[in-house]
This record gives sequence, structure tokens and C-alpha cells, in this order.
Amino acid sequence: GAGVSQTPSNKVTEKGKYVELRCDPISGHTALYWYRQSLGQGPEFLIYFQGTGAADDSGLPNDRFFAVRPEGSVSTLKIQRTERGDSAVYLCASSPPGSYEQYFGPGTRLTVT
Amino acid sequence: GQQVMQIPQYQHVQEGEDFTTYCNSSTTLSNIQWYKQRPGGHPVFLIQLVKSGEVKKQKRLTFQFGEAKKNSSLHITATQTTDVGTYFCAGQTYKYIFGTGTRLKVLA
Repeated sequence: GAGVSQTPSNKVTEKGKYVELRCDPISGHTALYWYRQSLGQGPEFLIYFQGTGAADDSGLPNDRFFAVRPEGSVSTLKIQRTERGDSAVYLCASSPPGSYEQYFGPGTRLTVT
Repeated sequence: GQQVMQIPQYQHVQEGEDFTTYCNSSTTLSNIQWYKQRPGGHPVFLIQLVKSGEVKKQKRLTFQFGEAKKNSSLHITATQTTDVGTYFCAGQTYKYIFGTGTRLKVLA
């Protein structure tokens, strides 16, 4: 079956611009996670959704970052006034009900110039 | 804040040698997961350990969860070139914290 998909696969933007990153989880998966991963580092937790609500957004670095999941399926990570330090691979993962196993998407590589 | 450290950071082994990576948390964990990430790829779930002292095996891979639920290890017996990648542990308290990873290279 289809896995987690993320679009775009690559995004290059100028400092100060706004970007949106999209995640399509596996159908039926209720939990959705956003992480970001810098080169040579482990994934860094950003936010976790259970259904439509953000169950834990403690990993969002500041108020420039926001994520939504309005219908409990697709999620969008929004970054305002991008900074060069935001450059990283943004990973999305989903889990089926009753399971903690996270299925990761291929990620979006964000480059802020 | 909560930290999850892994050692070693890098490991080069000859094909056929064994490999072990260790994961240590600063806080007690509810459970721990292990993931493998190939170069250029995304993390792929390997296993989850929940019980204190739990040991699980998957073919040549052996996973252990410490008695205090603050540390874990992954041991690979007789490594193969297909084992190349970075192995991450991810410990859960109220959220998942990924470790720093161990990058494994296997020399044929």
C-alpha cells in the first residue's frame, strides 16, 4: 500500500519568505508526527497530532512554526519569516491506532538562502 | 531537558564482525524504539521494547532494554554490507526523543 508521502521533496526559499510543507499520512493512521533532521543528527521532535488536535507541540522552536491537521489526515507545517537556520530535512511520520510504530515519509529538504 | 545519547558515534567493522550500539537516556523511559536510516533515506522502524529487562531478537539483531528503563542496546551478529546505515534509538517519556545515532560502515 501507499506509504507516507511528503511534498515538495525539495524546497529552496529566500530568507524571510513563508513556506508550507505537506504530509499525507498512511490512510487510517490517527497519529501524525513532524520532525526535522539536520545533517549528521537524529530527528528532532516538533509536533504530534492525535486526530485533528495537536497533542504535543512542545518541540516547535518558536512562534514562526505552526502546523495544522484540519480533517485528521493531511497535515501542513508552516514556517513564517524563514531563517537560514531553518534549513534541514523535515520528516513526517504516522502511526496506526493502538501502535507506536512510526512510519516515516521521505522528507522535504528545505534550504533557506 | 531530556537527553538520549548513543555511543559510539561511528563504527567501521569488517564484514562478518559483530557490532553493538548503546543508547542512554537521562530519564526513565516508557518504551524505546530502534530505527535504521540508510544514507539518503528516511528512518525505518525496527522494533519497540516496553518491559524492563526485555530482550528481543530479529534474525542477526538482538535488542535489549535495561532494568532501569534508561538504557538500551542493539547488537548485530556477523555484520553484512546490507547492515550499513545509521541506527537510532528513540526513547519515549511523553514524546519521542531520538538519540544521536551510530553510523555503521561495513567493509567487505
